[in-house]
Amino acid sequence: AQSVAQPEDQVNVAEGNPLTVKCTYSVSGNPYLFWYVQYPNRGLQFLLKYITGDNLVKGSYGFEAEFNKSQTSFHLKKPSALVSDSALYFCAVSGGSQGNLIFGKGTKLSVKP
Amino acid sequence: DTGVSQDPRHKITKRGQNVTFRCDPISEHNRLYWYRQTLGQGPEFLTYFQNEAQLEKSRLLSDRFSAERPKGSFSTLEIQRTEQGDSAMYLCASSLDPGHYYEQYFGPGTRLTVT
Repeated sequence: AQSVAQPEDQVNVAEGNPLTVKCTYSVSGNPYLFWYVQYPNRGLQFLLKYITGDNLVKGSYGFEAEFNKSQTSFHLKKPSALVSDSALYFCAVSGGSQGNLIFGKGTKLSVKP
Repeated sequence: DTGVSQDPRHKITKRGQNVTFRCDPISEHNRLYWYRQTLGQGPEFLTYFQNEAQLEKSRLLSDRFSAERPKGSFSTLEIQRTEQGDSAMYLCASSLDPGHYYEQYFGPGTRLTVT
């Protein structure tokens, strides 16, 4: 069965510092991996995806993620955090041909000025 | 606005009542998904449609839940005889086909509170 794990409930970063939000996955077959962000009282917003190709994927708002097959990881990164990046971040894997997403529990990112 | 819309945004109902939620996907998207999200958890898959056909249902979707997508456009999710455990945020998402390749676009959700 497909699954993802986000080992950190919360990540605290100072504004201007680099940030990393961790995600590991378990899939049978090719992994299709996604990152979404959820702001309070708003729906999930797509940030980026890995389907195939380059291991470094660039997405919205300056975020990027690194796919590592040997470590079964797909960590979300940003070189310089902004206070406005504070939100809940979800890693997800596609559940198969039907395309339903299997989400992690989420990581709360807090960026302090 | 051409994004995914959901109605209502909030619903408070008494235990035992029936409720119905509506989702309008992005017009060119033929896949439509329903998820449920409870506090502190990621969204959990409930069911999905490809055009008007309901092709997959999660074990979370008990007999009290039913979903439709007439004519492959908007979708409705009905919960009969609501229970307090049904209190959650119900999210709708749509995507192009094939679903595992394309990102899903989510609506703002319907927050259900069962008293």
